[in-house]
Amino acid sequence: DTAVSQTPKYLVTQMGNDKSIKCEQNLGHDTMYWYKQDSKKFLKIMFSYNNKELIINETVPNRFSPKSPDKAHLNLHINSLELGDSAVYFCASSQDGTGSSPLHFGNGTRLTVT
Amino acid sequence: SQQGEEDPQALSIQEGENATMNCSYKTSINNLQWYRQNSGRGLVHLILIRSNEREKHSGRLRVTLDTSKKSSSLLITASRAADTASYFCATALIQGAQKLVFGQGTRLTINP
Repeated sequence: DTAVSQTPKYLVTQMGNDKSIKCEQNLGHDTMYWYKQDSKKFLKIMFSYNNKELIINETVPNRFSPKSPDKAHLNLHINSLELGDSAVYFCASSQDGTGSSPLHFGNGTRLTVT
Repeated sequence: SQQGEEDPQALSIQEGENATMNCSYKTSINNLQWYRQNSGRGLVHLILIRSNEREKHSGRLRVTLDTSKKSSSLLITASRAADTASYFCATALIQGAQKLVFGQGTRLTINP
């Protein structure tokens, strides 16, 4: 199936831990994103990469570090997790990063920090 | 305040009725996109309308764009139970179009 897939779907962890979320797309897209959706459904961009190059970094704490080993993968590593990091994190991709092509989203990773 | 704001925040109608959701934004856009999110799933792209377009159709969906009022509407005709979802508008700004800015969505419930 052609898709954006992210793992894990659920992640429950304690404050202070470090965790990673993985994302892969097999759509051949050049641009990948991480979005965060809070409890009020507000969706905010965190990062975007185009062909492994960081394009957007939206004032995200440096505890969050994206890594793109190739243009089909964009992983998100989070250090020293805090309660406020609890949210649903979505990976997405688009054909190009111009904003003129639609985004394809993964099904999200629900992160709960206790 | 947000670039894109949907109105209403929640809408509940009977199956078969039409549903209209509105989106307002603040700064000039390159295009505006509508997405649907089913519970527990990712967003799915529905339709993209460019700043020089006024109306676009896709199946039972009709999107309008009024750049003078900085607003857009999404009309779903002959609603079905499967249309129950949250609907988001997203704007691609002229400055910084690489970044789609999403509103908080309209929660649509279709009652059988």
